[in-house]
Amino acid sequence: AQKITQTQPGMFVQEKEAVTLDCTYDTSDQSYGLFWYKQPSSGEMIFLIYQGSYDEQNATEGRYSLNFQKARKSANLVISASQLGDSAMYFCAMREAYSGGGADGLTFGKGTHLIIQP
Amino acid sequence: DGGITQSPKYLFRKEGQNVTLSCEQNLNHDAMYWYRQDPGQGLRLIYYSQIVNDFQKGDIAEGYSVSREKKESFPLTVTSAQKNPTAFYLCASSSEAGYGYTFGSGTRLTVV
Repeated sequence: AQKITQTQPGMFVQEKEAVTLDCTYDTSDQSYGLFWYKQPSSGEMIFLIYQGSYDEQNATEGRYSLNFQKARKSANLVISASQLGDSAMYFCAMREAYSGGGADGLTFGKGTHLIIQP
Repeated sequence: DGGITQSPKYLFRKEGQNVTLSCEQNLNHDAMYWYRQDPGQGLRLIYYSQIVNDFQKGDIAEGYSVSREKKESFPLTVTSAQKNPTAFYLCASSSEAGYGYTFGSGTRLTVV
């Protein structure tokens, strides 16, 4: 079973509109972290926002916010007032509990290709 | 500025050759990772290392090998046993707590 599911392969949005990118996750761990990354055509992975499983408030970073619904295992990314430069691939990722005291790496979804239209 | 350097940016491999991708970080991070990305797909974990001289297989380790002789360096060798090596390879590192992951700019490997 997939641990991270992104159900929107592609989205077209008008400039200045708000965008919601869906992400659901599957884990039996109590302690985990959820990340969103942006990947432009150049290929670099740009960190956008992080939500810890014990964080009571939804994370926000500038125009980015994370709609965290723990009971539904949902961690949707909201981009307010979209801009042409937001066009890129967007990936949701999860870090689960550690083994051996170290960080085991992230599990990624397949991504959403967001295109902002003028 | 601290960061991760991957080289080369583009790499071409002939059938049956081994090639090595470089990854160097100056962030003083303990953990380092190699991911593979195929077109239209997410990233899949190849190998990771939490400490010098130790590393673990990820989800798709077959046909790859790594070493971690220095904290700063985590090279990935794509061996001839990897039957479909054409992909985009990303290296990353994280602090021990795993709250922040920094990625390199990637190496695009093509078999010719």
